[in-house]
Amino acid sequence: EAGVAQSPRYKIIEKRQSVAFWCNPISGHATLYWYQQILGQGPKLLIQFQNNGVVDDSQLPKDRFSAERLKGVDSTLKIQPAKLEDSAVYLCASSLGTSDTGELFFGEGSRLTVL
Amino acid sequence: DQQVKQNSPSLSVQEGRISILNCDYTNSMFDYFLWYKKYPAEGPTFLISISSIKDKNEDGRFTVFLNKSAKHLSLHIVPSQPGDSAVYFCAARAGSYQLTFGKGTKLSVIP
Repeated sequence: EAGVAQSPRYKIIEKRQSVAFWCNPISGHATLYWYQQILGQGPKLLIQFQNNGVVDDSQLPKDRFSAERLKGVDSTLKIQPAKLEDSAVYLCASSLGTSDTGELFFGEGSRLTVL
Repeated sequence: DQQVKQNSPSLSVQEGRISILNCDYTNSMFDYFLWYKKYPAEGPTFLISISSIKDKNEDGRFTVFLNKSAKHLSLHIVPSQPGDSAVYFCAARAGSYQLTFGKGTKLSVIP
């Protein structure tokens, strides 16, 4: 079974530029998450989708971050304009959405460096 | 306000000995707890979990203990192996799959 796919793995941009990350979840997984992990911290939830609807985006800085999940499958996370403090690993995760366990399956992450 | 706390940033253990990783939480609404393991340049992978209705869950060398009155859980690895060297994240859930993570503990198992 293929895991969660993310791209690009690494991205370096200058502040005020824009960047987009892509995620393809595990086939059949209804729920998709974007987490931000800053160095030395645990992952922090940015946004959660159930199919193509947003369940929780309370911690998404909406003035600069946006995310969409087209047709309930792939998702993109965009940052525009980027700030220095956005340097982090952006993790995409998916889950069945029907299980009791709450287990999330994570991709390898996209590491963003903002100079 | 950190709701899930892992107060030890790092831990070193001899191969074959027991590793004990600790986690404290403040939100009494958390009903499910998970441990994730993360190797460098990889995403976290699920290790073991426990529901708030239990106080212990075992899976091979890994055991998680939950003390609800103390709002504390711990992960025991026995015996520890060099391949267990990784960052371990404690995570807690309140409601539908909204995991809150701790900062992680880096475990080093010395051969």
